[in-house]
This record gives sequence, structure tokens and C-alpha cells, in this order.
Amino acid sequence: GENVEQHPSTLSVQEGDSAVIKCTYSDSASNYFPWYKQELGKRPQLIIDIRSNVGEKKDQRIAVTLNKTAKHFSLHITETQPEDSAVYFCAASFRGGADGLTFGKGTHLIIQP
Amino acid sequence: DAGITQSPRHKVTETGTPVTLRCHQTENHRYMYWYRQDPGHGLRLIHYSYGVKDTDKGEVSDGYSVSRSKTEDFLLTLESATSSQTSVYFCAISDSGNNQPQHFGDGTRLSIL
Repeated sequence: GENVEQHPSTLSVQEGDSAVIKCTYSDSASNYFPWYKQELGKRPQLIIDIRSNVGEKKDQRIAVTLNKTAKHFSLHITETQPEDSAVYFCAASFRGGADGLTFGKGTHLIIQP
Repeated sequence: DAGITQSPRHKVTETGTPVTLRCHQTENHRYMYWYRQDPGHGLRLIHYSYGVKDTDKGEVSDGYSVSRSKTEDFLLTLESATSSQTSVYFCAISDSGNNQPQHFGDGTRLSIL
């Protein structure tokens, strides 16, 4: 089955700086890659997703890039703010999510004031 | 937020007892999923449903069963709970499944003593 590796497990950045979280996947047939943000004690919330026919997608301060050849995708957050502090999860699915997602183990992002 | 209600929100029970968790949605979405979340493991798929009475196993299905008798309800049952099933359980829903976002409920915190 699919395997998703996520790095780093913890990332601390100064407020206003950029943060990058990287994920690799094993199944070359994977075609859907969402990112979730989870605050302590809350539900995971979808923040951005990308399909395999697209190399990059942006939404305000958040962007995701996909390299199908290397089988990795990354989350970029610019101009970080205190409210960006959370755990971020990447995920992948080879059936577009129809039979579920395989998640990375998460990155705890800490924004230092 | 997607109309997803999980019940109960918290439960403490003893080893060997049966436990049923309920996920109720008001979105009329076809796909429903059960995940468990444990420290160091991210979210892992237990079972999913692609329609009424249509279900399939996920990555960590041993010890769990599911049922979906109507579109809005997806039940997860632990026939004989074990301490290793202590976890936070999340339900998710998706409209068409294929390349469509999954939205999560608020979770059920289950402790098995």
C-alpha cells in the first residue's frame, strides 16, 4: 500500500518568516494530495489540496508544490503568523481519496514571536 | 463547517466490552470514513463506506466492524474492546470521493481501561 513520509516532525520559525514542510509518497499511481491543519484538541481541517495534473497551487499565504517524478510534495507558508501554530498533516491517495487517505505523521509548526 | 456529528464525544469503558461509535452527516455525501489518531502515527484509516451497505477495510481494520444502513449514519463497532484501541476516532465524509476533499468531524476520545 501507499506510504507517506513527512519531515520535519517539528519546525520552529520566527513570526514573519516562511515555513516549508515536505512529504514523499511511495505509490506512483497516487493522484490526490491534501494538506490538513489540526489545532490542539480540534478536528483536522483541510487547508489546501492538489491533483496530480497540477504542479503548484496557491491560496493567499499558502502554496503546495508537487513533483511527480520525485514523488514528493511540499507545503509552503509565507509571512507566518501566531495563528499558523498547529500540527500539519500531508496525505496521499491513488484513487483520489475514494478509498481513503494515507497520512504522514505530522509536523508541529511553532511560530516564535 | 460540514454537518458531521460524532457521538459520544468522550467514552471510558473496560476491556472486553462492546463499544459503538456513531457518525451522523447532514450533507447527503456518499462516502464516509473512520480514522483513528494516535501519537506518532498520524491518522490511519480503519474502514470506509462508498454507499448504503457498501463498506470496505482500511489499513487498521482488525478488531473493528462497521455498518451503514442509511446514507447519513456510519457506525463503528469494537466487538470486544482492548487497551490498544484507546485512541481518538475521527469520522470523515466526502461527496464524490474521487479527488474531492474529505471533511472531518470533531472526534471521539475513547479510553479503554
